[in-house]
Amino acid sequence: AQKITQTQPGMFVQEKEAVTLDCTYDTSDPSYGLFWYKQPSSGEMIFLIYQGSYDQQNATEGRYSLNFQKARKSANLVISASQLGDSAMYFCAMRGVSQGGSEKLVFGKGTKLTVNP
Amino acid sequence: DAGVTQSPTHLIKTRGQHVTLRCSPISGHKSVSWYQQVLGQGPQFIFQYYEKEERGRGNFPDRFSARQFPNYSSELNVNALLLGDSALYLCASSPDLATDTQYFGPGTRLTVL
Repeated sequence: AQKITQTQPGMFVQEKEAVTLDCTYDTSDPSYGLFWYKQPSSGEMIFLIYQGSYDQQNATEGRYSLNFQKARKSANLVISASQLGDSAMYFCAMRGVSQGGSEKLVFGKGTKLTVNP
Repeated sequence: DAGVTQSPTHLIKTRGQHVTLRCSPISGHKSVSWYQQVLGQGPQFIFQYYEKEERGRGNFPDRFSARQFPNYSSELNVNALLLGDSALYLCASSPDLATDTQYFGPGTRLTVL
């Protein structure tokens, strides 16, 4: 079974600074995928970035980058130049297999990020 | 292009009632998944449907059921509502059964009194 652990319930960062949100994972599958989603107070889960287990380079998407350390089983999200609109819950997730064999997402408990002006 | 849409946005029910939640996937997406997110937790997988068939199920009781229509939209039904069913119900779509990214709708917030 897959498991995601996010150990930071809340994080604070000053506007324009960088912040790292931690995520560790556990899986016995040789091939897997890791995701980060942002959830504002409105509730919608917004896809940010994806990292495949066999990808040679760390994923980047604009101000978001994923610090993937396979040996440590960690997939930390780095947000550069934080903006007030980045204040939200952030969830790390990985691809798992459901009963029936289809793919599902397994989520961590999330980290609440607050960006201060 | 329109994203995933869900209706209603909010819903209040009493214990013992049943509820139907609706989801329309992104145009061209054939797979729909449902997740339940209780306050303070990450979403938990309930069902995945693809081409109108159930392809995956999470650890939820039989009070939870779903279906997918020929236009790939989906309904989630919950019978005999309990207080613990109060949650945000999220629908996600993806192009096919095995794909890297699921795209979520805004959710339906269900309150059971």
